[in-house]
Amino acid sequence: NAGVTQTPKFQVLKTGQSMTLQCAQDMNHNSMYWYRQDPGMGLRLIYYSASEGTTDKGEVPNGYNVSRLNKREFSLRLESAAPSQTSVYFCASSEIADTQYFGPGTRLTVL
Amino acid sequence: EDKVVQSPLSLVVHEGDTVTLNCSYEVTNFRSLLWYKQEKKAPTFLFMLTSSGIEKKSGRLSSILDKKELSSILNITATQTGDSAIYLCAVGSNTGKLIFGQGTTLQVKP
Repeated sequence: NAGVTQTPKFQVLKTGQSMTLQCAQDMNHNSMYWYRQDPGMGLRLIYYSASEGTTDKGEVPNGYNVSRLNKREFSLRLESAAPSQTSVYFCASSEIADTQYFGPGTRLTVL
Repeated sequence: EDKVVQSPLSLVVHEGDTVTLNCSYEVTNFRSLLWYKQEKKAPTFLFMLTSSGIEKKSGRLSSILDKKELSSILNITATQTGDSAIYLCAVGSNTGKLIFGQGTTLQVKP
């Protein structure tokens, strides 16, 4: 039982490049989330998916897109990376209301 | 606008000290308040509080919610170096989303 897994762990991009962050959970949870964490700002919600087939914007969605591929997988895409997107990205999932379980994170640097 | 504010933002104590971390919130349609501990990687769940005045306890950690004051505290007694971490407070609403505070960075010195 791996919980929530994320790939890659680290990534360096040049401005304008694109990439997809992958997230998978094996807990059969309905809801999945993408957050970014910047120093002094806690976790900010980018997008979430309350159930398979649905996605909604969070607090900071600009510059990102998501795909809920199936119940297990929820990916985050940066179409044209910008230095302001340098951050640590966390994926999370939940079943019981509000208790979310987090993946290990992806540290992204955009030069 | 919904917001969650934690204080202090950082704290340095010595082993054996007791610490109290604060979380206050202004969130429409409040449903729950959660505490997480974040060491080097992913936040890990500590407590979820939904009812005012009922203390939740796990070992040396305890937490209580005050819905009248729109706040919660997290207490850690007899601190150890392994308690060094960022402690995150989050509030859940009927939207199903969590709103996080900035976090409190705790450093426990030997």
